[in-house]
Amino acid sequence: DAGVIQSPRHEVTEMGQEVTLRCKPISGHDYLFWYRQTMMRGLELLIYFNNNVPIDDSGMPEDRFSAKMPNASFSTLKIQPSEPRDSAVYFCASSRTTEAFFGQGTRLTVV
Amino acid sequence: AQSVTQPDIHITVSEGASLELRCNYSYGATPYLFWYVQSPGQGLQLLLKYFSGDTLVQGIKGFEAEFKRSQSSFNLRKPSVHWSDAAEYFCAVGTLTGGGNKLTFGTGTQLKVEL
Repeated sequence: DAGVIQSPRHEVTEMGQEVTLRCKPISGHDYLFWYRQTMMRGLELLIYFNNNVPIDDSGMPEDRFSAKMPNASFSTLKIQPSEPRDSAVYFCASSRTTEAFFGQGTRLTVV
Repeated sequence: AQSVTQPDIHITVSEGASLELRCNYSYGATPYLFWYVQSPGQGLQLLLKYFSGDTLVQGIKGFEAEFKRSQSSFNLRKPSVHWSDAAEYFCAVGTLTGGGNKLTFGTGTQLKVEL
């Protein structure tokens, strides 16, 4: 298995633009998590899905953030409009039992 | 709500020396505890985990951790550090959500290895 695949690896965008981050979980995993990593706040959970259904989005910072999982093999995290304070590394992780497997992350820079 | 404290932001050790990274947690029930490692530009890789049973758990790359309920600690250890161990290490407490694993992370400890 190729592991959790995230794209793009790096994204630079201008303030006010829409940004879409993508994630392909490991096949057979029924949980998918989106985390954000910043120097100030460390690693924080944004949202997670079970069987494609959002379960807990209490970590989503603002209404500018939205996440979808249209099927078991694909999820997106969208920021619209983006702001410089959204600059961070965004990780997707998937799990089936007790171990969460992480993707390599998307480094987002909003200028 | 659960929380994790890693009191050491940076640690420097010489290659071949022993290592201990500290982790304290706060959780109202039996904790599920994890250590992850992150190399520069990479995602997080699981080193080891504790759910129940033997309080000394072995992981990959020669790491081990000991769960001490009385001290609310889950410290990571390695008897002899290799230069390739230089990375950032994260302790996490997990809430098993019916099978999945919702993690709360500590702020991480950056390990530097001197040759």
